[in-house]
Amino acid sequence: DIQMTQSPSTLSASVGDRVTITCRASQSISTWLAWYQQKPGKAPKLLIYKASSLESGVPLRFSGSGSGTQFTLTISSLQPDDFATYYCQQYNSYWTFGQGTKVEVK
Amino acid sequence: EGQLLESGGGFIQPGGSLRLSCAASGFMFSDHAMIWVRQAPGKGLDWVSGLSGGSDTILYVNSVKGRFTISRDNSKNMMYLQMNSLRAEDTAVYYCARLSRGSPSVFDIWGQGTMVTVSS
Repeated sequence: DIQMTQSPSTLSASVGDRVTITCRASQSISTWLAWYQQKPGKAPKLLIYKASSLESGVPLRFSGSGSGTQFTLTISSLQPDDFATYYCQQYNSYWTFGQGTKVEVK
Repeated sequence: EGQLLESGGGFIQPGGSLRLSCAASGFMFSDHAMIWVRQAPGKGLDWVSGLSGGSDTILYVNSVKGRFTISRDNSKNMMYLQMNSLRAEDTAVYYCARLSRGSPSVFDIWGQGTMVTVSS
């Protein structure tokens, strides 16, 4: 099974900050990597697929990069609506999620 | 833009059974594989079971094999998860999700979730 490891587990930031979340796969997954945003009590929402492709309707301040085993999600200027938990997911072999990164108010 | 709506969750004793339903609307249901994903309280996301548009490919995570059965009725735009021999560790919010077209696929539409609590 492919394991996904995110860092950090919690990130404290302020509105306007540039935020970066890292995701590492236990083996190469090419660019079969997605990012989801989840708010408390709500379902996850797809933000990015194929490592760097933005899902329709997702603000341009979100971007993704990486290939192989190392990936990043960047929020260029954190907005109030962005405080949430973010999950990476590999879909190269079945599906595995990272443990999540909670972006909280500093 | 499609929508998914789960139902059927509840409180059940260990060893009991529940049937979850997922109603789809706003897209060609039979064109998409579908999946159930669960999230234990305060924990992360895990896929549970999925099936292709024509039900010819069915997948289960090892921990539910032999206990859960996934199915779909494309004439009704419905997907189901029959859960038998429930255990405390099955306690979670269960989401149904649509797999994007093409392969490999991501989960591009999610329902709001239904809570399953297994406890004596």
